[in-house]
Amino acid sequence: DAGVTQSPTHLIKTRGQQVTLRCSPKSGHDTVSWYQQALGQGPQFIFQYYEEEERQRGNFPDRFSGHQFPNYSSELNVNALLLGDSALYLCASRKGYEAFFGQGTRLTVV
Amino acid sequence: GNSVTQMEGPVTLSEEAFLTINCTYTATGYPSLFWYVQYPGEGLQLLLKATKADDKGSNKGFEATYRKETTSFHLEKGSVQVSDSAVYFCALSEGYNQGGKLIFGQGTELSVKP
Repeated sequence: DAGVTQSPTHLIKTRGQQVTLRCSPKSGHDTVSWYQQALGQGPQFIFQYYEEEERQRGNFPDRFSGHQFPNYSSELNVNALLLGDSALYLCASRKGYEAFFGQGTRLTVV
Repeated sequence: GNSVTQMEGPVTLSEEAFLTINCTYTATGYPSLFWYVQYPGEGLQLLLKATKADDKGSNKGFEATYRKETTSFHLEKGSVQVSDSAVYFCALSEGYNQGGKLIFGQGTELSVKP
């Protein structure tokens, strides 16, 4: 059983560009959340998707948007990248109380 | 709002030493509590959880007890190994009916020396 898979693993973008990160949840999981983890910090909640709708959102600007597809996979889009968006982006899928995390996408904005 | 506070690291121990990493939380309602571990270059792995007061979560020799009276969920292990070196995160979930969003502490880095 594959766990949560994220792509790409690493990405370098230029300030002002747009980026799309992808996540496939663990089999049987229907809820996907995205987190941003800055270096040396704990993950911060961005938003959560269930039944293809954004259900809950953290304190992130509208430059951060997402989508969930009928197969429960999800995308995170970030527009107008800033240097401060450099971080590890983690996807988590959940069914019940327990969340399973992917390996993350390391985004570097230069 | 809800929050989690962990003891600052790094924590450096010798192999077979006793480990305690303190975690306290602030929350309304009745959150579930978790410890996650992150090995270098990897995502987060769930280490243990407790869903109600006085529950004890345990896994791989690690334990933590949900103490509502002290709003704490301290992580303990009786004898650490070099392979336990990692960053440990305490987290609370605001509840399944509230979306299950996780709020994390800042993490505590553990380094175990042979």
